[in-house]
Amino acid sequence: DAKTTQPPSMDCAEGRAANLPCNHSTISGNEYVYWYRQIHSQGPQYIIHGLKNNETNEMASLIITEDRKSSTLILPHATLRDTAVYYCISPYNNAGNMLTFGGGTRLMVKP
Amino acid sequence: DAGVIQSPRHEVTEMGQEVTLRCKPISGHNSLFWYRQTMMRGLELLIYFNNNVPIDDSGMPEDRFSAKMPNASFSTLKIQPSEPRDSAVYFCASSRQWNTEAFFGQGTRLTVV
Repeated sequence: DAKTTQPPSMDCAEGRAANLPCNHSTISGNEYVYWYRQIHSQGPQYIIHGLKNNETNEMASLIITEDRKSSTLILPHATLRDTAVYYCISPYNNAGNMLTFGGGTRLMVKP
Repeated sequence: DAGVIQSPRHEVTEMGQEVTLRCKPISGHNSLFWYRQTMMRGLELLIYFNNNVPIDDSGMPEDRFSAKMPNASFSTLKIQPSEPRDSAVYFCASSRQWNTEAFFGQGTRLTVV
C-alpha cells in the first residue's frame, strides 16, 4: 500500500481556504486517495476520495497532481468547526492492506 | 440510518476482568473494522471482517483480544483478561464494500484500573 506523508500541523484563518497537502509518491495506478478527518473525541469522518481526476463535494475539493504523487485537500471557507486532524490515506489495494491511518495533519482554524 | 452504533460509550473495569465491546454496523454494509486509538500509537487497525468473515487480524495485539461477527448486524471485541495498557478508545467502522468509504461509530472509551 502507498505510504502517505503529511505535515503534522497547520493553521488557517477562519473564512480563508485551508489547503492540506499530502505526498503519496509510491502510489500505484489502482490505488485511490482517501481523506478523513477526526474532530476531537469523535470517530473519524469520511471527507472525499479520488483516483486521478479532481473531485469536489459539499465538504471539500481534492486536487490530485497529474503524476498522482501528491494531492491537496481544500476546504474553501474554513470555519472553527473544521478544526480537526485530517488524514490522507491510500488504504486499499489487492493485497488487502486496509484502511490504516498515519499521523495526519492537525488543522487549527483561528478566528 | 442511525449510523454505526457502539456500546457502551464508556467502560471502566478492573485489571483482570473480561471486557466486551459491541458494534452494530450500518445495514447493508459488508465490511466491518475494529480500531484502537491512543495518544502514543494513534489509530491502529485491529481486525476487519468482510461478509462476517475475519479477513485480517494481524493488528490484534495479543491472544487476550478476540473479535467475532456472528451475523451481518453485530460484532463484538472481547478482551480477557484486561490490563491497564488496554486503556484506549475503541472504534468500530463499517463500509459497503472493503474498498469504499468507511463510517465510524462514536467509540468506546475503555479505562482499565
